Amino acid sequence: DQQVKQNSPSLSVQEGRISILNCDYTNSMFDYFLWYKKYPAEGPTFLISISSIKDKNEDGRFTVFLNKSAKHLSLHIVPSQPGDSAVYFCAASYTGTASKLTFGTGTRLQVTL
Amino acid sequence: EAQVTQNPRYLITVTGKKLTVTCSQNMNHEYMSWYRQDPGLGLRQIYYSMNVEVTDKGDVPEGYKVSRKEKRNFPLILESPSPNQTSLYFCASTSGTSGSETDTQYFGPGTRLTVL
Repeated sequence: DQQVKQNSPSLSVQEGRISILNCDYTNSMFDYFLWYKKYPAEGPTFLISISSIKDKNEDGRFTVFLNKSAKHLSLHIVPSQPGDSAVYFCAASYTGTASKLTFGTGTRLQVTL
Repeated sequence: EAQVTQNPRYLITVTGKKLTVTCSQNMNHEYMSWYRQDPGLGLRQIYYSMNVEVTDKGDVPEGYKVSRKEKRNFPLILESPSPNQTSLYFCASTSGTSGSETDTQYFGPGTRLTVL
């Protein structure tokens, strides 16, 4: 049972435009959400996170939005750059489980020139 | 430089031949985990450790063992590997404290294992 879902396996966006990556979850106990970026032949690297007490968190070009009622979060990248081309994983956890992340299946973002 | 290292990076082996993948972190983190990444399934946690001599099963622990004798090291052991354990493996560590929200997990570069 996939508790964290990324329904779009891939996304192509033109450089300078907005990239929107989506993630849905089913476990209402999740209270912390993260996005990781992964380049080929490297481990995932942390990008941005959001606690369930917030509905938005911004860090430079990256913004994560959380809609708890819909159990949905999204990552916005504005403006998109070619270096953003990577696989993006959504992940979730809940209080007291610091070492356990539940990951989505990932979305491959391609930013074209 | 803060990092998580794994060895080997690539390994091809045969069914039943015991192997160990090492993982080491230099950040004095208490929490360490092992994940496997498979196409269409994302990353799934195999085992995790909250401190020295404290380990617990993740979502897919069958066929794996771990140990945590030192804080910095968290090896993954496959006593009798099988072809369905062919995968990309990641070690991770975090400074997250029990009862608080998850801190950032730092991942190693990955170990690509093929079991023939």
